[in-house]
Amino acid sequence: DTAVSQTPKYLVTQMGNDKSIKCEQNLGHDTMYWYKQDSKKFLKIMFSYNNKELIINETVPNRFSPKSPDKAHLNLHINSLELGDSAVYFCASSRRGPGPYEQYFGPGTRLTVT
Amino acid sequence: DQQVKQNSPSLSVQEGRISILNCDYTNSMFDYFLWYKKYPAEGPTFLISISSIKDKNEDGRFTVFLNKSAKHLSLHIVPSQPGDSAVYFCAASLTGGGNKLTFGTGTQLKVEL
Repeated sequence: DTAVSQTPKYLVTQMGNDKSIKCEQNLGHDTMYWYKQDSKKFLKIMFSYNNKELIINETVPNRFSPKSPDKAHLNLHINSLELGDSAVYFCASSRRGPGPYEQYFGPGTRLTVT
Repeated sequence: DQQVKQNSPSLSVQEGRISILNCDYTNSMFDYFLWYKKYPAEGPTFLISISSIKDKNEDGRFTVFLNKSAKHLSLHIVPSQPGDSAVYFCAASLTGGGNKLTFGTGTQLKVEL
């Protein structure tokens, strides 16, 4: 009964490929997020969604496209992968409202682009 | 421009002693602060938070102190246990900011026997 789950945990792919990472939460939260942790271990927000509506989009290349089929899922699709996309990607969720509220993170997906 | 900074990349403490992790921020609009703990190959786990209307919040062995005038917060763990060995991230957000968390770069805590 994992609260926030991500698949796959590891993803190795070649430059130029398109890949997706899936995220699901069973906490009943309305808001979901994607974060990227780069090689310097710096965690930075990419996107957030409130009940399928895009709220935050942090100057991320448009090769990255989040998709939220329902409020429990937020998937990340990446087109034309580049070497610099190699990182750990974390999904998170939180309550919705005036907040702020703590966020609950998934275990991460380590993406390696060769 | 890093708005949340953790200037100590690592800290080593003996079991049973106090661990003090520090965090500084530059954006005076931040009004909610959080600490997360992260083990290798896992996601960050929420530990404790504090609103800017308070200067202290306790939860068991963990206490967070906030000094708004200095734009500084600290996490005290007492007594420290070997299982506390992890990377600790502080994070900040502001009301009306879409619940966006701005993270520091983390401090690796090692609690030695």
